[in-house]
Amino acid sequence: SQQGEEDPQALSIQEGENATMNCSYKTSINNLQWYRQNSGRGLVHLILIRSNEREKHSGRLRVTLDTSKKSSSLLITASRAADTASYFCATDGETSGSRLTFGEGTQLTVNP
Amino acid sequence: DAGVIQSPRHEVTEMGQEVTLRCKPISGHDYLFWYRQTMMRGLELLIYFNNNVPIDDSGMPEDRFSAKMPNASFSTLKIQPSEPRDSAVYFCASSLSPVRGYTFGSGTRLTVV
Repeated sequence: SQQGEEDPQALSIQEGENATMNCSYKTSINNLQWYRQNSGRGLVHLILIRSNEREKHSGRLRVTLDTSKKSSSLLITASRAADTASYFCATDGETSGSRLTFGEGTQLTVNP
Repeated sequence: DAGVIQSPRHEVTEMGQEVTLRCKPISGHDYLFWYRQTMMRGLELLIYFNNNVPIDDSGMPEDRFSAKMPNASFSTLKIQPSEPRDSAVYFCASSLSPVRGYTFGSGTRLTVV
């Protein structure tokens, strides 16, 4: 079973709008990561946030983490058509060793 | 660096045949992971290696699946005999340290007919 669950499953927006995707998880974590997957390609690492961090920025990406609610959000500002992809959260925790457990993903479509 | 290299990109085989998927991790990465992705089950970890040693193979579906890492620059995932339900995209990923993120290959799309 998946540790993370993304919400929504699919999101369609217009270019220039902001996109927010959420991830919830069940067990205590050390780190939470976000990945992007373009159609037919492998996953690409976007950003990592540690369990003792609350917010992190990278370019147009903003990630927040609320360990009390076991949830994270990924905000993409000023979206572009090239941002169209599936986005996954992944967690590693005390019981998972070095492996990441991935959520089911959010399919983001940015319309030109 | 060329990234994580997987071969073949596509494989179509008949039920009962042996299938071998190959992966070359990024040089210097001590961790190598094999994942399977399907619409129904999402991304599933099959097995991972640290310094060429299998650490956790609890995700390997059954005895038909086996994985090896004979050296730091090469790993294989073998399915024998293959079944239609093995059809999926198989990803290899490597990492210097898991807390720093994985680098994924482009995947092998396996179709068993």
